[in-house]
Order: sequence, then structure tokens, then C-alpha cells
Amino acid sequence: GAVVSQHPSWVICKSGTSVKIECRSLDFQATTMFWYRQFPKQSLMLMATSNEGSKATYEQGVEKDKFLINHASLTLSTLTVTSAHPEDSSFYICSARDIVAGSSGYTFGSGTRLTVV
Amino acid sequence: AQTVTQSQPEMSVQEAETVTLSCTYDTSESDYYLFWYKQPPSRQMILVIRQEAYKQQNATENRFSVNFQKAAKSFSLKISDSQLGDAAMYFCAYGKINDMRFGAGTRLTVKP
Repeated sequence: GAVVSQHPSWVICKSGTSVKIECRSLDFQATTMFWYRQFPKQSLMLMATSNEGSKATYEQGVEKDKFLINHASLTLSTLTVTSAHPEDSSFYICSARDIVAGSSGYTFGSGTRLTVV
Repeated sequence: AQTVTQSQPEMSVQEAETVTLSCTYDTSESDYYLFWYKQPPSRQMILVIRQEAYKQQNATENRFSVNFQKAAKSFSLKISDSQLGDAAMYFCAYGKINDMRFGAGTRLTVKP
């Protein structure tokens, strides 16, 4: 089946530094990637939607300059948390939509636990 | 933006019994997908069942089935013969090509 590889699975960084999270579709082409953050015991909150080759669409309240999303190819999307602060500590999950399966095919990465100290 | 509502923060069921998790959604679209995802403590999102909005027939996957009421914008999940391994967070989700949103989730506990 479709697999999305998300790395790193966990990361600890110092306040003020930047962290990059990668999501790679291994056996399918993903025209659309969704990025979510999830606080403990809460739901997945959509941060942004990215389409290959175009700028990401951010949800209201999400700082586009802090959460940089790049979707340069049909198999790779990255989320960079810039100048991270402790309040950015969270669980980040990506989801890729299969170009062939359309709206029926969404595959999730395994998530990244970010801790900013 | 579309919204997904799960009004049951927690549910409990006895092993081997049946439980129903509720979900309602709001959209002006006519063509979309609805999903139920399971999230165990590992936090990996696991697809439980999927329903195409244009299909009237309710989806079923072994012990899991849905009651899809398009006019009422309701999409409930029924788990039959509940097993201990069913214990997890369950999220209802709405999906279109460039949109996928989740409800707040329902934590399901299965009692032995």
C-alpha cells in the first residue's frame, strides 16, 4: 500500500533555531500534501495545504513566515519551523493525497514530535 | 471552511458489545469523502472506513460500518463485537481534493 515516510520522528531543538521536517511519498505521486499539528489529547489541526510546484495555502492564524512549506516535487514536501519557541512544541503530521486515488486516497506520515527547549 | 463535529469526547463499551460513535459535518459541496480514522497511542493515523458522498450505500469493513445520512450531514461509525484492540482515539474526517479536516475526536475505551 501507499506509504509516506516522515522524518525525523522526534527532534529536540534550542529556542531560536530552525527545524525541518520531511515527508516523502515512497510509492506514489502526491499532488497535495496537508500539514497538521496536534497538541496532546486534541485533534489534528490543519496548518496548510501545499500543491506541487505552487505556494502553500495556510489556514487562518498560521504564520506563514514561521512555518515554511516547500513542495518542490511530487514525492517530497518539507515543513520548516523557523526561529522555534517552546510554544511551537507539538506533534506534526503530514498527509499526502495520491494523484491517482484522488480524494479517496490520503496517506499519513508517522508524525514528528517537536520539543523546543 | 467545512467543519466536522464529534459531540462525544469519550465513549466506553464492553468487550464483544456494539458501540456507535457520532459525527456531523457542515459543507455546501455535493461531492466529497468522509472518513473514520483510528489513532492509537503510537499516534499513527489508521484508516478505519471511507464513504463516498455520492454513494447511498453505507460502507462496511468487517466489524466496522457507517450510517451515512447525507441530507442530515451525519456520519456515524458502528463497531460491532468490540475488541480490546479497538481502544483508541477515533477521528471523523471530511475530505476533498484540497481539503481534509478532522473532528475533535472520541476516545473509546473497551472494558474486558
